[in-house]
Amino acid sequence: QVLLVQSGTEVKEPGGSVRVSCKTSGYTFTRYNFAWVRQAPGQGLEWMGWISAYNGNTKYAQKFQGRVTMTTDTSTSTAYLELRSLRSDDSAVYYCARETSTSETNYFDNWGQGTLVTVSS
Amino acid sequence: QSVLTQPPSVSAAPGQKVTMSCSGSSSNIGNNYVSWYQQLPGTAPKLLIYENNARPSGVPDRFSGSKSGTSATLGITGLQTGDEADYYCGTWDSSLSANVFGTGTKVTVL
Repeated sequence: QVLLVQSGTEVKEPGGSVRVSCKTSGYTFTRYNFAWVRQAPGQGLEWMGWISAYNGNTKYAQKFQGRVTMTTDTSTSTAYLELRSLRSDDSAVYYCARETSTSETNYFDNWGQGTLVTVSS
Repeated sequence: QSVLTQPPSVSAAPGQKVTMSCSGSSSNIGNNYVSWYQQLPGTAPKLLIYENNARPSGVPDRFSGSKSGTSATLGITGLQTGDEADYYCGTWDSSLSANVFGTGTKVTVL
């Protein structure tokens, strides 16, 4: 059974940074990519980028370039998202999602439970 | 602003059928596979359809997907109260070099 378990709720001040973890089990970690997707309150899904668990290659959405870092730790089968220079509009639920990806297709077949990040002074 | 447009809401009585559209362009839906995700209230999204019309193991055949040109459609037959959720389409956008999601459609069972 594939499981993605994320870290708990975070409350951060504007200008700070947050690190969210996503611990996986039930499959070979390095065979898949990870995407991070966020959802502001009452809003839709927003793709932030992806990372290859095989070689650490990343692709970030232009909107987050310079503020985001995605990493993985193959020894613990865990993916991480770090977002810096936080603003109030970064308040959202952040999801990790396992990505099945080939040269022709990609989709998100398993999701973490989500991590609520609140940015407030 | 999302590049994929979905109707805000659709509704039908139990047992009936609903369909919802996802409209894009040649840089996304027109040249890439579409996936669909179901988000029940207060939960994480769940993969419902991938590669336009394929269902993951465990997804009932009441759910179906199709694509034509720069639009995709999700259909639900035999509507159940448990189908009340938000539904999102998603695909790769070759111009943006990014994954994109639709604006989302809320399904209400009357």
